[in-house]
Formats: sequence, C-alpha cells, structure tokens
Amino acid sequence: IAGITQAPTSQILAAGRRMTLRCTQDMRHNAMYWYRQDLGLGLRLIHYSNTAGTTGKGEVPDGYSVSRANTDDFPLTLASAVPSQTSVYFCASSPTGANQPQHFGDGTRLSIL
Amino acid sequence: EDQVTQSPEALRLQEGESSSLNCSYTVSGLRGLFWYRQDPGKGPEFLFTLYSAGEEKEKERLKATLTKKESFLHITAPKPEDSATYLCAVQSGAQKLVFGQGTRLTINP
Repeated sequence: IAGITQAPTSQILAAGRRMTLRCTQDMRHNAMYWYRQDLGLGLRLIHYSNTAGTTGKGEVPDGYSVSRANTDDFPLTLASAVPSQTSVYFCASSPTGANQPQHFGDGTRLSIL
Repeated sequence: EDQVTQSPEALRLQEGESSSLNCSYTVSGLRGLFWYRQDPGKGPEFLFTLYSAGEEKEKERLKATLTKKESFLHITAPKPEDSATYLCAVQSGAQKLVFGQGTRLTINP
C-alpha cells in the first residue's frame, strides 16, 4: 500500500544524545514536511522540502536539521536532544507544495529524559 | 500571520445527533483550506480541500463548507466510528499549512 513510513514508532532518548527520525514515501511526491504535535499547540511545521536537493525552515526549526538527498527520503535529525523536544513527530508529503493536501505518516513518539 | 481557531475544543454527541464543527481563520491570500481526521495514535487522514468561498464538499456523513472567514464541518446522523479529532488547516501563498488545535469529537452509542 502506497504511503509514508516513519521509523522508529517510538523512542526514549537521553538528553544530549543524537537522534535521526526516518521518513520514506513511495508516492513519488515532490514536497515533504516534518511537523511536531504537542498538546494544546497543535501541529507545527519544523522543516520542509519542496523538491529533492532543497530544504526550508518552518515555524519551529531550532535544534533540528533535515536533508533531502533523493525524492523518497526525508530524515530529521536532533543533534543534541533536549527535554523540550519530547513530542510526537509526523512526516508528510504532497505532490507539490501548492494547493494540494498533505498525506501523513503515523508518527514517531519521542521522549527525551 | 496566518491563524486558525477551531471550536469547540471537544464535543460529545449521541449517535444520530447532527452537529457542526467550526474553523475560523485569518490568512493573507487563501490557497486552500483542508480538513483532516485524526484517530488516537495515528497520523492525520485527509478529508477535504476547499478553495473558494461558497464551495462545499461531501463524503458520507460529512459535509464541509467555506466562507471568507470560516469553514464548517457538518456531521449528519453520526455513528460511533465518527469519533476522532478533526483538524482544520489553511494554506496561504507561503505554501505551508497552518493547523488549528482540533476538535475532539465523541459519538456515544
């Protein structure tokens, strides 16, 4: 079934450790996105990529980095995790960045202790 | 700055009791308004896109409508399986989605 695969599904991580969340899509969508979802704050955009080889900053980019080496993969890296990065992280994709719905994976639940 | 406000935060209905969820927005140049459904432990699932005031979309017991300032998600004769959190999002010229905080809907049998 076509869609977005995120890994791991959940993770507990010590503060200060480096962590990469993986996201792969098989829909050949050009645009991909990373969001975090926190109670009371809703979904907030961290980083996005309109096409392979390009990335951009969203609303809450500090402490996170992304890369887009090819169309299918869009990993999110926390270089040195802090407790405030405890959240549920969702990856999404859309055919292009404009006027089209985004399709989401089932998320990674990350706890930073 | 684009903003989306959803109301109510939570709504509890009896099976068959119709109601509406509200999404109020302010945006500089609306490119699209999107409704999603999110079940616990899952990612948002796309329902509808609305592009201009007066537009309506329907899917089973759900109908979405759009004005220049707000959108409504009407639920007709809901069933327990319609229980979920419903999210509204807007896209402006920046091409990025801004989400509301959602309405948590519970349908009791």
